[in-house]
Amino acid sequence: GQNIDQPTEMTATEGAIVQINCTYQTSGFNGLFWYQQHAGEAPTFLSYNVLDGLEEKGRFSSFLSRSKGYSYLLLKELQMKDSASYLCAVMDSNYQLIWGAGTKLIIKP
Amino acid sequence: SAVISQKPSRDICQRGTSLTIQCQVDSQVTMMFWYRQQPGQSLTLIATANQGSEATYESGFVIDKFPISRPNLTFSTLTVSNMSPEDSSIYLCSARTGGETGELFFGEGSRLTVL
Repeated sequence: GQNIDQPTEMTATEGAIVQINCTYQTSGFNGLFWYQQHAGEAPTFLSYNVLDGLEEKGRFSSFLSRSKGYSYLLLKELQMKDSASYLCAVMDSNYQLIWGAGTKLIIKP
Repeated sequence: SAVISQKPSRDICQRGTSLTIQCQVDSQVTMMFWYRQQPGQSLTLIATANQGSEATYESGFVIDKFPISRPNLTFSTLTVSNMSPEDSSIYLCSARTGGETGELFFGEGSRLTVL
């Protein structure tokens, strides 16, 4: 079966760095997405990785290792507004998105 | 990019009634989808809305319960029929731009509470 695993909840301190991991097992692979979702709001796109390596976009970076079925989202210089759920989603061979359950990130001052 | 408008944003419904959610995209998009997100959980795909033909439903979802229309490339509706409290959820419209691996944009969601 297809499976996406990510931690349920993480806590970090304002100004610090946090890494949210995502492991996956899917039927084929056409890329991995990270989305941010604030409580009561729609998910918004953060990143897309299809090749191995690190993609940096401001304070956020996303890493992919296809051989290991692994990705992480790295958030630097954490701000209170980064408190949200972070959803990992993998596109399988049929271009269907398989969604993880999301990681709720709590930022403390 | 795409801006997606959904309405209603929220509603409280009586058991046994039906409600139609409308989704409008500000540009023509090839693919539109309907998701459900129950409290504290991730997204579950209900169906892919196909322009000019019947929607493609995921396992566990059927047309009689969730009829979908997509008359053109910018608009779709989802009806939640014969509602029960178990249908209380957030329903999200989404659209993909830029091909099959393009970014997925979401509407603000419609929060339904069924009493």
